[in-house]
Amino acid sequence: DTEVTQTPKHLVMGMTNKKSLKCEQHMGHRAMYWYKQKAKKPPELMFVYSYEKLSINESVPSRFSPECPNSSLLNLHLHALQPEDSALYLCASSQNYNEQFFGPGTRLTVL
Amino acid sequence: RKEVEQDPGPFNVPEGATVAFNCTYSNSASQSFFWYRQDCRKEPKLLMSVYSSGNEDGRFTAQLNRASQYISLLIRDSKLSDSATYLCVVTPLGTYKYIFGTGTRLKVLA
Repeated sequence: DTEVTQTPKHLVMGMTNKKSLKCEQHMGHRAMYWYKQKAKKPPELMFVYSYEKLSINESVPSRFSPECPNSSLLNLHLHALQPEDSALYLCASSQNYNEQFFGPGTRLTVL
Repeated sequence: RKEVEQDPGPFNVPEGATVAFNCTYSNSASQSFFWYRQDCRKEPKLLMSVYSSGNEDGRFTAQLNRASQYISLLIRDSKLSDSATYLCVVTPLGTYKYIFGTGTRLKVLA
């Protein structure tokens, strides 16, 4: 099973809201990733967790807060977002430095 | 110079044509290479890993040229369903920082 699941599929939130994006994989992968993708651009790395520890933070604003509760789950907590944060948020996982598998993404709109 | 560069296209080709994309990378210590395809408003899906010896999967062939620091993707007998954006991905040695090219758009025309 090479499936990564993400919820919700779509999210609309105001600038004062707090929401969370969720990602799950059951492939036994020990690296999990959050990416942000704007239209007609490649995915842009935000965070990487390796063995449940944050190993890369690409200078992401603190209004995005990642969490890795266990080896299968990855969350992204959102607070006080700006309209320019509207994008497709993709979760991915990989076994070491091998192929990444992506979830279907959450399409986020910030009003 | 960008770390990973691709011609953005679009490449407009007729059905049945053969088309090739290149992707150049600047870090000679890069260790893993991949091609992904991404359809509009969908997630990237792994097309192929690229090995030093080259690899083939049906109509798709990927090659790695370490000396010139590029990878290539060849698609033979193009189908309408091959229309998508093709992203090359490179990982530097010992890091989880996968680096994406900007993508090449392919349109296969009937």
